[in-house]
Amino acid sequence: SAVISQKPSRDICQRGTSLTIQCQVDSQVTMMFWYRQQPGQSLTLIATANQGSEATYESGFVIDKFPISRPNLTFSTLTVSNMSPEDSSIYLCSVELSGLGTEAFFGQGTRLTVV
Amino acid sequence: QKEVEQNSGPLSVPEGAIASLNCTYSDRGSQSFFWYRQYSGKSPELIMSIYSNGDKEDGRFTAQLNKASQYVSLLIRDSQPSDSATYLCAASSSGGSYIPTFGRGTSLIVHP
Repeated sequence: SAVISQKPSRDICQRGTSLTIQCQVDSQVTMMFWYRQQPGQSLTLIATANQGSEATYESGFVIDKFPISRPNLTFSTLTVSNMSPEDSSIYLCSVELSGLGTEAFFGQGTRLTVV
Repeated sequence: QKEVEQNSGPLSVPEGAIASLNCTYSDRGSQSFFWYRQYSGKSPELIMSIYSNGDKEDGRFTAQLNKASQYVSLLIRDSQPSDSATYLCAASSSGGSYIPTFGRGTSLIVHP
């Protein structure tokens, strides 16, 4: 497995502002993902964070709204930009260790409330 | 579109009983299957993975896979109140994108 540190664990933000969420892994990993989980819902993939290149975004998510950085194989950030109350959600960092579709592990999550 | 379907529940079982959680998937190319447990306010925690047809046992948990029926299940024996959580089923393909597709989860309530 992997130890994944995600911060902040929660935040309350004003609409129109931006929040950057950090994800640090204790080992080098090939695949890092960012998910959103709205109350009572399952996990929605926002994007795959690619080391050294632009993230790959899923349908409905764009780089201007959710810019992602991945400067190395152990660290990534997700920024939620120009926030609105609809962005209130739990954001989760996830890693898959082998790059071959084996188990994925999650960070502790960031509970974001936009007021 | 790859889909993983689960009954949202809640599934309510008495303490000590067997809880049976079910999941179907649409992508026949799926090769890897996972069960995650998510307590309220917490992130998902991997509890079982299964890659081949049949049963896989780990303690009180048994995962069952039937690729012909595109069906995955999780049995929890001797259910405890601490097992009360949402259980997420996930499937991923071996070729191309390895990104898992998650179901909506089944809420399990184990009552004393």
